Amino acid sequence: DAGITQSPRYKITETGRQVTLMCHQTWSHSYMFWYRQDLGHGLRLIYYSAAADITDKGEVPDGYVVSRSKTENFPLTLESATRSQTSVYFCASSRTGGSYGYTFGSGTRLTVV
Amino acid sequence: ILNVEQSPQSLHVQEGDSTNFTCSFPSSNFYALHWYRWETAKSPEALFVMTLNGDEKKKGRISATLNTKEGYSYLYIKGSQPEDSATYLCASINAGNNRKLIWGLGTSLAVNP
Repeated sequence: DAGITQSPRYKITETGRQVTLMCHQTWSHSYMFWYRQDLGHGLRLIYYSAAADITDKGEVPDGYVVSRSKTENFPLTLESATRSQTSVYFCASSRTGGSYGYTFGSGTRLTVV
Repeated sequence: ILNVEQSPQSLHVQEGDSTNFTCSFPSSNFYALHWYRWETAKSPEALFVMTLNGDEKKKGRISATLNTKEGYSYLYIKGSQPEDSATYLCASINAGNNRKLIWGLGTSLAVNP
């Protein structure tokens, strides 16, 4: 089925471990985004990508790394997980930077213990 | 930094009531305004993307208007149903902000049967 898929849905990891959240979309959308959702903060942009091999920081990039070697994939890596990175992470894609709506994945609930 | 504000923060209505919410955004360098519906345990779903002053969009019982000169948008729901219960998010893009969406915190709507 076409769409945007995030994996895993749920993840528990220990402080200091590296963890990668996956995002895959089948529409060949140019733009992809990673957000985190925390109570009281709404959606905050971590990183975004305008095309393959082009990435840029959002509001809260510290402690995260992204790559986009292929248009359809946009993994997010927490290099050394901290408890403050416990959150729900959403990946999204869009045909353009803003004149079309974003399509969101189902989210990954990450708990860092 | 843009600041998008939504009001009210939450709303409880009876089935059949009509309701509306407000989204305020900085009007300078306006590019686009997005509305999303976000049901509990799901991911945000795009309702409307609006770009022109005076724009009106409609989807079933939900409609939205846009005033880019004064920096506000209204979302209307006619004859609310329990399935309309969700958080409604708006987000705006400033042409000078690398086309990144800046999100409001949402209006949480509960429709009682």
